Amino acid sequence: GESVGLHLPTLSVQEGDNSIINCAYSNSASDYFIWYKQESGKGPQFIIDIRSNMDKRQGQRVTVLLNKTVKHLSLQIAATQPGDSAVYFCAERDNYGQNFVFGPGTRLSVLP
Amino acid sequence: SQTIHQWPATLVQPVGSPLSLECTVEGTSNPNLYWYRQAAGRGLQLLFYSVGIGQISSEVPQNLSASRPQDRQFILSSKKLLLSDSGFYLCAWSAPYEAFFGQGTRLTVV
Repeated sequence: GESVGLHLPTLSVQEGDNSIINCAYSNSASDYFIWYKQESGKGPQFIIDIRSNMDKRQGQRVTVLLNKTVKHLSLQIAATQPGDSAVYFCAERDNYGQNFVFGPGTRLSVLP
Repeated sequence: SQTIHQWPATLVQPVGSPLSLECTVEGTSNPNLYWYRQAAGRGLQLLFYSVGIGQISSEVPQNLSASRPQDRQFILSSKKLLLSDSGFYLCAWSAPYEAFFGQGTRLTVV
């Protein structure tokens, strides 16, 4: 379900370190997943996606890992920069309803 | 390429006044369309979604309504705003393997 009543969990990392943001999903029928980055006052922006027939996908400084056995998704950001500070959401697509369900989000704070 | 337009970016409205937020999508046909609300520091709350013209599903009971008069147009409305309607409203669209958000509308009800 949606955790919209809760404050966002925060992950603080030192600039230059790697960040790992985790997301648990509930629907084993979900076949497509997206990570979004939302900066303050803006709409969420697409970062990277992965289909359920894959367990890893890499982009520029970002890697998404999918573990279908435990229904877990993670976003890894290499060499975290101040500009990476934002809220990160995962989304799963239900292949029955073709709707996207968004996770509660994680706030990433990059320390100087 | 697909784009999504949402306006206005900010809005200040008095309690009891009506509301109309519009969202249009370009570059795709028959998308699923969504309205979300986001309170400060919190996650996304799905308000409405639509799988086609005139087809609206409401996720939570509230003071708002939605309409989809055209395939790529989604409108969020209220007849009388409440203070609790303040928030950040996001429109989104999805196709089978894509989902994109608008830039959001910051609504402040005073």
